[in-house]
Amino acid sequence: EDKVVQSPLSLVVHEGDTVTLNCSYEVTNFRSLLWYKQEKKAPTFLFMLTSSGIEKKSGRLSSILDKKELFSILNITATQTGDSAIYLCAVEVIIQGAQKLVFGQGTRLTINP
Amino acid sequence: DVKVTQSSRYLVKRTGEKVFLECVQDMDHENMFWYRQDPGLGLRLIYFSYDVKMKEKGDIPEGYSVSREKKERFSLILESASTNQTSMYLCASSLPRYLYGEQYFGPGTRLTVT
Repeated sequence: EDKVVQSPLSLVVHEGDTVTLNCSYEVTNFRSLLWYKQEKKAPTFLFMLTSSGIEKKSGRLSSILDKKELFSILNITATQTGDSAIYLCAVEVIIQGAQKLVFGQGTRLTINP
Repeated sequence: DVKVTQSSRYLVKRTGEKVFLECVQDMDHENMFWYRQDPGLGLRLIYFSYDVKMKEKGDIPEGYSVSREKKERFSLILESASTNQTSMYLCASSLPRYLYGEQYFGPGTRLTVT
């Protein structure tokens, strides 16, 4: 059974701190790994990772994939209260010719001022 | 901008009622998906479709059915709603499987079954 596990499930830090969110997976037919941010509405796309060791960066957020050890991390530096959200990790797999996402439980991040 | 819309943000139904949740996307995407999201469980795939009139079961299809008569519209049907179907329902769409691309999500429908 395909499985994606995120840790920690919940994290509370102060504004300005740096955080690292973890995502490990065990799947067959891996195609890509995606990170989403979800506030009180639809998840919004952050990154798609397909190759090991290549960092993707967007402002204060960055992410990297390790396909040998089967995990990814999402880093947020100089956190702001607007970073408070649930961060979702999903692995795209190919099953019987169709692609689908397998999601982790999510990490609820709270940034206190 | 890709837009995925869902027919209702909040819905309250009684046990045993038939419930329709509608999803429409405006980007001509081949793939469409229905998920439910529950605390501690993340998003779980109910059904998906990669073409008009095609449908595939996801991980938790029991108690649900779907309909895709037009490319832009994907409907989720609860034949006889039960209280354990109280949840947040999210629809998504994406490019076909031979292309890399993220799934775009709608705003969600919070369904309460009493």
